[in-house]
Amino acid sequence: QVQLVQSGAEVKKPGASVKVSCKASGYTFTGYYLHWVRQAPGQGLEWVGRIDPNSGGTNYAQKFRGRVTMTRDTSISTAYMELSRLTSDDTVVYYCARGYGSGTFDIWGQGTMVTVSS
Amino acid sequence: QSALTQPPSVSGSPGQSVTISCTGTSSDVGSYNRVSWYQQPPGTAPKLMIYEVSNRPSGVPDRFSGSKSGNTASLTISGLQAEDEADYYCSSYTSSSTYVFGTGTKVTVL
Repeated sequence: QVQLVQSGAEVKKPGASVKVSCKASGYTFTGYYLHWVRQAPGQGLEWVGRIDPNSGGTNYAQKFRGRVTMTRDTSISTAYMELSRLTSDDTVVYYCARGYGSGTFDIWGQGTMVTVSS
Repeated sequence: QSALTQPPSVSGSPGQSVTISCTGTSSDVGSYNRVSWYQQPPGTAPKLMIYEVSNRPSGVPDRFSGSKSGNTASLTISGLQAEDEADYYCSSYTSSSTYVFGTGTKVTVL
């Protein structure tokens, strides 16, 4: 079945970087954009950016430009989201989501909790 | 990009109808039919309920319906059931080629 499986929880110190992976299965990886969305504890959803797995092209939310990098490895149908210069405000759950059609996130990963603490 | 505005909470008894509003601007909701709605029970990933304003994915009950007027989109749950209790988020494509989510609405079944 179509699914996205993310890497496990991470604990990082302030100033460090984190890289989260998202492995796709059950569909053609290069046929759909892959988005990253994050959610702070008890808070709402926030769009981080997206990657086109076919071309590698990216588009990031203004808030994260300069600090986020999205990449992919088509040989293993996996996308990555790396965020640098972490602060306590980056203690959130990161979700990857498949982009369907125009602006729809139809399949979601299970989420990856990233905790930033000294 | 500011989040789309949703009411913090709505509630209803089983069988009743509730409507959640999602207010944006002419740079997002008002300009594109790319509004989606997501259901998120506690501790789980969001689930797509409505896409492109009013379309339901396969498997989503027809109790869920969506609409849009101007800069405001709406999600209506008819015949409310206990299993509908969750947080709901809208999202929209924007003129900056980015996406924005709503502030979220907690639906409580009384």
